[in-house]
Amino acid sequence: QPVLTQPPSASGTPGQRVSISCSGSSSNIGSNYVSWYQQFPGTAPTLLIYSNNQRPSWVPDRFSGSKSGTSATLAISGLRSDDEADYYCAAWDDSLRSDDGLGNVVFGGGTQLTVL
Amino acid sequence: QVQLQESGPGLVEPSQTLSLTCTVSGGSIGSRNFYWNWFRQPAGRGLEWIGRIYTTGITRYSPSLKSRVTLSADTSSNQFSLTLRSVTAADTAVYYCARDPTAMDSADWYVDVWGRGTLVSVSS
Repeated sequence: QPVLTQPPSASGTPGQRVSISCSGSSSNIGSNYVSWYQQFPGTAPTLLIYSNNQRPSWVPDRFSGSKSGTSATLAISGLRSDDEADYYCAAWDDSLRSDDGLGNVVFGGGTQLTVL
Repeated sequence: QVQLQESGPGLVEPSQTLSLTCTVSGGSIGSRNFYWNWFRQPAGRGLEWIGRIYTTGITRYSPSLKSRVTLSADTSSNQFSLTLRSVTAADTAVYYCARDPTAMDSADWYVDVWGRGTLVSVSS
């Protein structure tokens, strides 16, 4: 079971604004930054958003991220057909951080975005 | 531009050891600015983090895999590696390596460059 909770699917029509939620807890999203990844079928994920709301230079400003408390949201405005992909949120989880070499990055289960 | 490429056997027998290497080009893994991570993704499922390594040898492992995983890095060949022992069919997945520009034990973690992934099947 993924530690972070995402809706399994989302959809929208071209030009629409779509939001994807990511819910966690105080040990992950509540105390750490969130990143988002986009993955097309059969390909590797790519970084979409980091540090809650920062976009890499290659990501268009149609994509934005936000965080509030123990939840984060990815928003896509001006939806395009080539935005159809799986989207994952991730964050470091503090619950197992220790000196014995443990750590934990936790992911959401992914949201499949369909452009109707 | 930095690129990562995973390599290793595509088929491993149950109870054996899975070994993968990630070769980095266009940049040095010895750079003090980066850590290096491994992930996996079973078919049709989500991403799972395996662990990360800094070239000084500092590592962090997923608690669910720590007893079976070892990460290592070889700056002379600009590669880092994953070893997963006692594999079962549940370890069948696409394995990815990725670059991590964040600090160890920082509140801000992410990876910014991914390899293309390599499929490893565990079967006799």
